[in-house]
Amino acid sequence: GENVEQHPSTLSVQEGDSAVIKCTYSDSASNYFPWYKQELGKRPQLIIDIRSNVGEKKDQRIAVTLNKTAKHFSLHITETQPEDSAVYFCAASRGGSQGNLIFGKGTKLSVKP
Amino acid sequence: DTAVSQTPKYLVTQMGNDKSIKCEQNLGHDTMYWYKQDSKKFLKIMFSYNNKELIINETVPNRFSPKSPDKAHLNLHINSLELGDSAVYFCASSPRTGVYGYTFGSGTRLTVV
Repeated sequence: GENVEQHPSTLSVQEGDSAVIKCTYSDSASNYFPWYKQELGKRPQLIIDIRSNVGEKKDQRIAVTLNKTAKHFSLHITETQPEDSAVYFCAASRGGSQGNLIFGKGTKLSVKP
Repeated sequence: DTAVSQTPKYLVTQMGNDKSIKCEQNLGHDTMYWYKQDSKKFLKIMFSYNNKELIINETVPNRFSPKSPDKAHLNLHINSLELGDSAVYFCASSPRTGVYGYTFGSGTRLTVV
């Protein structure tokens, strides 16, 4: 089955700096890669996703890149703000009837003012 | 108007008891899921239902029994609760199985004492 590895497990940056979180996946049939943000005591919320026919996608200060050959994808947050502090999860799915999301173990991002 | 709602939000119970968690979604989605988030924040799939039918049952003890009376509801019943069952349980839904983002409920924090 699919296995998703996520690094780093913790990340601390100064406000205004960029943050990068990286994930690798094992199932070459995976074709959907979402990212979730979970604030303390809250539910995970989808912030951006990318499909296998796209190499990069941007939404304001966040962007995701995908390298299907190397089976890795990354989340980039620019101009970080204290409200970006949260746990971020990457996930992968192969679609179809067995297309449940397999999550990475999360990255705790702390943005220091 | 909450999209995916879970009840109760908190559940404290003694070992050996039986408890249920309810989940309802008003998004018209076909697929619903139960995820378990342990103390290290790892999100692990437990069950997946598509249009009231079980499609994924990960290696979960048979003390856990999901029930889907209709495609808008997915409940989780747990028998003979153990200390290791303490976690946050998230219900989620997606339009169909496959390459779609999930909408999560607010979670149920279960504490077994």
